[in-house]
Amino acid sequence: GAGVSQSPSNKVTEKGKDVELRCDPISGHTALYWYRQSLGQGLEFLIYFQGNSAPDKSGLPSDRFSAERTGGSVSTLTIQRTQQEDSAVYLCASSPRGPPDEAFFGQGTRLTVV
Amino acid sequence: KQEVTQIPAALSVPEGENLVLNCSFTDSAIYNLQWFRQDPGKGLTSLLLIQSSQREQTSGRLNASLDKSSGRSTLYIAASQPGDSATYLCAGNYGGSQGNLIFGKGTKLSVKP
Repeated sequence: GAGVSQSPSNKVTEKGKDVELRCDPISGHTALYWYRQSLGQGLEFLIYFQGNSAPDKSGLPSDRFSAERTGGSVSTLTIQRTQQEDSAVYLCASSPRGPPDEAFFGQGTRLTVV
Repeated sequence: KQEVTQIPAALSVPEGENLVLNCSFTDSAIYNLQWFRQDPGKGLTSLLLIQSSQREQTSGRLNASLDKSSGRSTLYIAASQPGDSATYLCAGNYGGSQGNLIFGKGTKLSVKP
């Protein structure tokens, strides 16, 4: 079966533009996570969706960041008015039901803000 | 605060050597601990998942252990190969309303032919 799919794999954008990153989780997985990995840094938690519960947005770094998950499946992470410090690899993961189930990651979207 | 630490940050070994990667966590109220591998420019590949009720898990040449009381996990790699070269990340899963994984910064492993 297909794994977690993220698109685009690479995105170069100009400072100040908005970008949308997409994540297609494994079919049937109710839990979905977004993480950010900056150059030389560890993984930074951004947001967590679990079923129909309100998402945990505690990791979003500013109000320029938002995420949606439509129909309990596909998720979109939106970054408005991008800044150079937003350059990073954005990773999405899904899990059958969240903890204690195993999390499976996509290949990531490499975002470069110039 | 829940923190996960991995030591060393980098490790270089000759091919064929057995090695141990270390992971420590500050909060023992852990649901599970997951070990991942990350190749340069790639996403994370799940290697092993140890539930809080388990002490170890094995997959091929990999063996992961979990000691909640001491806040430690180890990943043992037997008979290392150049193809094992990658960054190895451990993540503690604390569940709850957040459900997020707390990651260490990883150990970059280089296996020399």
